[in-house]
Order: sequence, then structure tokens, then C-alpha cells
Amino acid sequence: QLQLQESGSGLVKPSQTLSLTCAVSGDSISSGGSSWNWIRQPPGKGLEWIGYIYHSGNTYYNPSLKSRVNISVDRFKNQFSLKLSSVTAADTAVYYCARGVVYSGSYGPENWFDPWGQGTLVTVS
Amino acid sequence: SYEVTQPLSVSVALGQTARIPCGGKNIASKNVHWYQKKPGQAPVLVLYRDSNRPSGIPERFSGSNSGNTATLTISRAQGGDEAEFYCQVWETKTGVFGGGTKLTVL
Repeated sequence: QLQLQESGSGLVKPSQTLSLTCAVSGDSISSGGSSWNWIRQPPGKGLEWIGYIYHSGNTYYNPSLKSRVNISVDRFKNQFSLKLSSVTAADTAVYYCARGVVYSGSYGPENWFDPWGQGTLVTVS
Repeated sequence: SYEVTQPLSVSVALGQTARIPCGGKNIASKNVHWYQKKPGQAPVLVLYRDSNRPSGIPERFSGSNSGNTATLTISRAQGGDEAEFYCQVWETKTGVFGGGTKLTVL
């Protein structure tokens, strides 16, 4: 059974870089047909997709965050990571990692997310 | 950018049918996915590609997508169905979520 688990610093100072890791178990992160995603939920707000990395190493980010985001993969450790630079209080959120199931949409590959990690709260203060 | 709208809340009497809409311009041309999120828990996929149920999701959960509205329907609503529900689509390589709907079972 595929499982994901986030880890990383729960408190980050403004202007610094947020770093999180998602450990994947039950499947290889290199398996085809999957993307590896980061999604967040600020307190009292809805879900926001941050970006993904494919098994090939290709990445794509939410345009609203693109200038500050980097997602990378470590195939040996079967995990992927998120770095978000120049954080502010607006980046305070529960951060989730999730496997994206890739399918062919009308305009290219698309994803639904299943399963998700339990989430980790990151506070910028 | 593409916008997806959901009502803030929907209420349903115990045992009745709840319908949660997800609006967007010509959303029928998109694949819509739905997630259930309970407080303190990770979101769970309940429908993918408009109307497909993952294994383990009860048949009480169904979906449709037509015109400018996709709809998640929950039949015979139970207290355990109380949660926030989010719809999600893709737009130019970007994942887009609706703002979420709080379902209350009365």
C-alpha cells in the first residue's frame, strides 16, 4: 500500500527558505504513471496546488509561486522535496505531499491526487 | 486563470441526499475530481474524472458534470459524511481547487 510521510522544519523565519521532504513507501518513486506533488492549506483557507515532479525529473509549478519554488527527487532514498524561498507569514500552512495519478487530458497530462500524506504544519514567524 | 467556485456550505438532513456543486466556465469540458477533508486529517479522493469511485468509497457517492456545473451527490447522508469537500481540475498544466464546501448533516 502506497504511503507518503512529510517531514521538515515546522518553524521558519521570514525571508528564509522552507524545506520539506516526503518519504514514499510501498512503491518506487521512479514508477511511470505517477507525479509527486506538493499541496498546501493555509489556516482557515482552501487547498492550493504548489507543483509536481514527474519520475522523469520534469517539474511544473503553480505560476503564482514559480519564482520561489523548487521540487526535487532523490531516487535512492525514494523521496522528494520542496523548497520555498523568501517566505512570509502568508506561507504559513499545512503542507501535504501527494501522489498524482497521471492521465491524458484534453490539453496534455493531468492528475488526480491519491493518496496524500498526513500533512505537516509550517509556521513562518 | 481558470476559476472554480463552490458554495461555502451545504446542509442535508440525515438520510437525505446532498448535492455539492462546483462551477466553472464550460467545466463539462474538463475532468473534475473530488476530495473529502475532515479536520486534522488528510484529504481523501472520493471521485475522479467526474464520476468514478476509487476502491473503498461507498456507492452513495456519485458525480456528474454538465455545462458549467459539476456536482458531487451523496445519497443517504450519514453523520460521518460531515466534512469539507473540494473539487479539482487542471488548467494549462496547473492544478486548480475550488474553495471548498462544508457539508453539515442535520
